[in-house]
Amino acid sequence: EAGVTQFPSHSVIEKGQTVTLRCDPISGHDNLYWYRRVMGKEIKFLLHFVKESKQDESGMPNNRFLAERTGGTYSTLKVQPAELEDSGVYFCASSPLSSGGARNEQFFGPGTRLTVL
Amino acid sequence: AQTVTQSQPEMSVQEAETVTLSCTYDTSENNYYLFWYKQPPSRQMILVIRQEAYKQQNATENRFSVNFQKAAKSFSLKISDSQLGDTAMYFCAFMNPPNFGNEKLTFGTGTRLTIIP
Repeated sequence: EAGVTQFPSHSVIEKGQTVTLRCDPISGHDNLYWYRRVMGKEIKFLLHFVKESKQDESGMPNNRFLAERTGGTYSTLKVQPAELEDSGVYFCASSPLSSGGARNEQFFGPGTRLTVL
Repeated sequence: AQTVTQSQPEMSVQEAETVTLSCTYDTSENNYYLFWYKQPPSRQMILVIRQEAYKQQNATENRFSVNFQKAAKSFSLKISDSQLGDTAMYFCAFMNPPNFGNEKLTFGTGTRLTIIP
């Protein structure tokens, strides 16, 4: 079974440009999460999809970030326009819908390292 | 809001020795989940062990065990007979139960563990 995949693995862009990150969850996983780790700090939650719906987007830093999950499969996270403080590693994770508290492990992708110059 | 604190940014230990990574958290909830995730160099983050707060028995997975002290809000990870493959970044994480409607993980800043041959 393929794991969570993310593309690209690295991206270097200049301030003001646009970047789109993609995440392909494990097949059949309805939950999809985006997280971000800024250098040396904790991994922070950005948002959570259940299928194609945004369940929780409380962690999105501002309106320069737009996440979509059309059809409830893969997801994209677009940053427009990018700022210096957006640099970091963006992780995607997926999990099946939980039942009675079970199966709550989140499976992580390798991350996309974004550098904004 | 929940917070997770890992007070050891870096640790190193000789191969075959035992090492304990510390983690404390803050929450007003009574039921929740705690996790240790491991991210080896240039590889994906994987789940090491999980603990459900309503279970008094400490979780164990082969050489990995936890010391869960609910009253003290402490959740340390013990690695016995450490191996070179244990070299990784270790993250402690907290989650409210799924039926709480908020399945995001709250992470600590991580502990970089190096196993010395």
